[in-house]
Amino acid sequence: EIVLTQSPGTLSVSPGERATLSCRASQSVSDYLAWYQHKAGQAPRLLIYGASSWATGVPDRFSGSGSGTGFTLTISRLEPEDFAVYYCQQYANPPFTFGQGTKLEIK
Amino acid sequence: EVQLVQSGAEVKKPGESLKISCNVSGYMFTNYWIGWVRQMPGKGLEWMGIIYPGDSGTIYSPSFQGQVTISADKSISTAYLQWSSLKVSDTAMYYCARRWNAYYFFDYWGQGTLVTVSS
Repeated sequence: EIVLTQSPGTLSVSPGERATLSCRASQSVSDYLAWYQHKAGQAPRLLIYGASSWATGVPDRFSGSGSGTGFTLTISRLEPEDFAVYYCQQYANPPFTFGQGTKLEIK
Repeated sequence: EVQLVQSGAEVKKPGESLKISCNVSGYMFTNYWIGWVRQMPGKGLEWMGIIYPGDSGTIYSPSFQGQVTISADKSISTAYLQWSSLKVSDTAMYYCARRWNAYYFFDYWGQGTLVTVSS
């Protein structure tokens, strides 16, 4: 089973600033990596797939990069609605595991 | 419009059985895999398994194999997650989600079903 490790566990950033979230895989997943945003009381929302492709309707302040075992989600200018928990998911090999999440909180 | 609507919250006792549902609309049910994801209280997302309603083919996470059963009824465009004997540790929010067309990530999600197991 591929283990995804996200860092940091919690990230405190001010609105308008940049946030950088990391996801590391225990073995290569090529670019079969997705990012989701999850707010309390809501369903998760797909942001990025294929490591760097935007899902429909996702603002371009969100961007994904990386391949193999190291991936990054960058939010260039944080808006108030961006504060949430973010998960990466690999879909290279079953079971298609999630990372443990990064909580992005307002500084 | 694609929609996945899950059944309502459940409160059960240990040892009881349960089947929760995920009714889909807005697309051809038999053409897309439907997965289930668990979120235990205060924890992250866990991939449980997935079913292809077209032929009921399933893939389970080893962590959930034998613990739950995933099924689907094509006639009513509904996927199910069921337990034969619930444990307190099954207390969680459960989400269904549609697999994107070609790869095993999820593009649409249900609203979640909260399952509480307590004596």
